[in-house]
Parts: sequence; structure tokens; C-alpha cells
Amino acid sequence: QLVLTQSPSASASLGASVKLTCTLSSGHSSYAIAWHQQQPEKGPRYLMKLNRDGSHSKGDGIPDRFSGSSSGAERYLTISNLQSEDEADYYCQTWGTGIVVFGGGTKLTVL
Amino acid sequence: EVQLVESGGGLVQPGGSLRLSCAASGFTFSRYWMSWVRQAPGKGLEWVANMKQDGTEKYYVDSVKGRFTISRDNAKNSLYLQMNSLRAEDTAVYYCATQYGDYWYFDLWGRGTLVTVSS
Repeated sequence: QLVLTQSPSASASLGASVKLTCTLSSGHSSYAIAWHQQQPEKGPRYLMKLNRDGSHSKGDGIPDRFSGSSSGAERYLTISNLQSEDEADYYCQTWGTGIVVFGGGTKLTVL
Repeated sequence: EVQLVESGGGLVQPGGSLRLSCAASGFTFSRYWMSWVRQAPGKGLEWVANMKQDGTEKYYVDSVKGRFTISRDNAKNSLYLQMNSLRAEDTAVYYCATQYGDYWYFDLWGRGTLVTVSS
């Protein structure tokens, strides 16, 4: 079964960096994912598509502070030089035949 | 401006029906797979259904099969979701979203429309 696992919460200080993790279920470690950001009271926003080799393609207007990387079944989103507007929920998402799956989301708090 | 605007949400009784619409602008709607994604209050995102550019393929999450129908009108740049036999657990903000090329990830989202199923 295709499942994405995310930690429910993360926190880091203003100006620091944070690395969020999304883990693919067993047997699905080659899958690409996408990262989406959802700021409070807003709709989601596409950040990037992230491939198994760590290559990624970002959405229009996404700052260079956002980057992606991969290792095995883990997919990462790194945000550097954290800003207050980065406080949001972050979702990873992938897909299989006839199905789309989201991770449970990580709530990022900027201290 | 490239955007998706959902409408049609509201309060409906259990067992009732509702039709959501999504108006696309600023891009060639007919070139994209389109999806509906929902978010229950305080919960995460859940994909609901999607549809190929020409309407020949449609997919649904198991929980809505037989109750919801996705459709589109490329001439009107619009996507629809007909929701029948609504249940309390269908209460959510419903977003429409474009899928990038033939991949199934979402690169443009609407702002959503709230559906509340309650007596």
C-alpha cells in the first residue's frame, strides 16, 4: 500500500534552517513526490516536484531558500533562512495507478 | 492571471446533493488533467477524484465511488463535482487543482469552497 509518513510538527528559529522529512512506504522508494505549502487560512501552494535522485523542479516564484533532496525512501524539504511567512503546514504527495496519496502534513512553527 | 476559482459550496442535509464548480482562467484548461482535493476541518489533504483532459479517464477515492461524479466542460474552462448522498464526513473545504502534464502532482490550486453536511 502506497503511504507517505510525515512528522506532525517541527520548529526552528527565525533565520535558521529546517529539514522536513517525508517517508515512502516499503516497495515504493523510487517514487517521485511533490511538496506543497499551506499557510494558515489559505489554500495549498505547490512548492516543488522531487525525484528519487534528488533532482527537483520548483513552482513559479518559489524562493531559492526552498530546496529538496532524497535518500532511499526519504524525501526532504529544506528551508533555509526561515522567515515568519514560512510558518505553515507542509504536505508531501505522490501518486500511483489511479490514486493520489498525501502525507499527514507537518506543521512548521517559526520561533 | 492564472487561477482556479471554486464555487457552489454551502450547507446541505445528510443525504442531500450539491454541485461544485471550478472556473479556470489564464491557461489552456483543455490541456490539463484536473483534480478535486478536500480538507476536513482541522485535518490534512485528501484527494477525491480526477479526470483526463478529454474526459475518457476518471478516478475516485474509494470513499466517494458511486456517490460523486467528476466532469468538465472544456469549452467553458470549467470543472465540476456532483456530490450525491452526502454524509457528515464529506464536510470539508473542496479544492480544484491542475495536474502537471501526465504526472499526477498538483502545480496550481484554487482557494477552495466549503461544504458542510449537517442537519
